[in-house]
Amino acid sequence: DAMVIQNPRYQVTQFGKPVTLSCSQTLNHNVMYWYQQKSSQAPKLLFHYYDKDFNNEADTPDNFQSRRPNTSFCFLDIRSPGLGDAAMYLCATSGGTSGSSEQYFGPGTRLTVT
Amino acid sequence: GQNIDQPTEMTATEGAIVQINCTYQTSGFNGLFWYQQHAGEAPTFLSYNVLDGLEEKGRFSSFLSRSKGYSYLLLKELQMKDSASYLCAVRDSNYQLIWGAGTKLIIKP
Repeated sequence: DAMVIQNPRYQVTQFGKPVTLSCSQTLNHNVMYWYQQKSSQAPKLLFHYYDKDFNNEADTPDNFQSRRPNTSFCFLDIRSPGLGDAAMYLCATSGGTSGSSEQYFGPGTRLTVT
Repeated sequence: GQNIDQPTEMTATEGAIVQINCTYQTSGFNGLFWYQQHAGEAPTFLSYNVLDGLEEKGRFSSFLSRSKGYSYLLLKELQMKDSASYLCAVRDSNYQLIWGAGTKLIIKP
């Protein structure tokens, strides 16, 4: 089945210790997104790629970086995690950004910062 | 600024009908989406509206009025598995998705 896969599902890291979250997709979609979602809040878009074109949201902290080495994979690097970065991180893909192109989400990675 | 408003929480009874409202103020409009999100899981797509009117999909229907900046999601014949959060999201003039915080729906037997 075509899908969006995120690893790991749960990640515990220490304050200030770099961490990388990964996402892969078998949908062959052009667009990949990274969202941060805290409890009972709307998903917050961090950045997205349209093919190799990187789009950073204006309010995404510099602490967050991303890489997309190929169509299938995308990574989220948190360089120095703080306690406020504990959240669910959602990867999503879509075939485009217009029309009825809905986003397909992975299961998420829940990040805990100790 | 851009804003999506939904009730924080609603309660309904198994077998009943519930309507979840969403109002929006965005810079432009290029479609409205409803997603379902069970606790601790990722959102899954439910419906898409770009023209005024009602879209029906089984037990779920979604309505849009662009002139009023308003949509609702109607769930019929509620089942316990419908207990989840329902998120409204609007695609703006830059084709960015603006998300609401979601409505937590609690279904009681």
